[in-house]
Amino acid sequence: SQTIHQWPATLVQPVGSPLSLECTVEGTSNPNLYWYRQAAGRGLQLLFYSVGIGQISSEVPQNLSASRPQDRQFILSSKKLLLSDSGFYLCAWSRAGIGSPLHFGNGTRLTVT
Amino acid sequence: GESVGLHLPTLSVQEGDNSIINCAYSNSASDYFIWYKQESGKGPQFIIDIRSNMDKRQGQRVTVLLNKTVKHLSLQIAATQPGDSAVYFCAENTVNQFYFGTGTSLTVIP
Repeated sequence: SQTIHQWPATLVQPVGSPLSLECTVEGTSNPNLYWYRQAAGRGLQLLFYSVGIGQISSEVPQNLSASRPQDRQFILSSKKLLLSDSGFYLCAWSRAGIGSPLHFGNGTRLTVT
Repeated sequence: GESVGLHLPTLSVQEGDNSIINCAYSNSASDYFIWYKQESGKGPQFIIDIRSNMDKRQGQRVTVLLNKTVKHLSLQIAATQPGDSAVYFCAENTVNQFYFGTGTSLTVIP
């Protein structure tokens, strides 16, 4: 069966510090991978998605970036965090094409102080 | 991007009653729709899905209805239980992208 791992679960970082969140998927190959952000009491905002190694699509302009160095690894990064980067970050995967649901990790609660 | 909106941000129901959560979507070309349940501090969990060539699909205690004419999706939960208390999101899927609404917070009153 497929599993998705996302870490860390919680993170407190000062403004201006770098960020690296990692996500890996097991039990499937060539998945579509996604990073979402969720503000408190709000919906899910799509940040990045990837349909293959080295292929990253960005949905919103920001100081975050994503990379996919391996087929089942997706990394969310920032060189300098802003206060507004605080939120709940969710990694997800789906099979390619339409008609396959997203499967989410347990999320990372990021607080920028 | 596309928007997926919900009619009601909060819903309170008595335990044992049926719950109906509504969702409006904007892209008439969307082919696939999904309902998720999110408990506090956790990632959304898949509940049920429906393709655009169907208008109804049933699962265990849940039913999803799709009305493509008015671009409306609903989730019905039968005999709502305290464990159903959570935030529910609908999502529409268009070519490698999934768009979510704000969510409806369901509270079940014992």
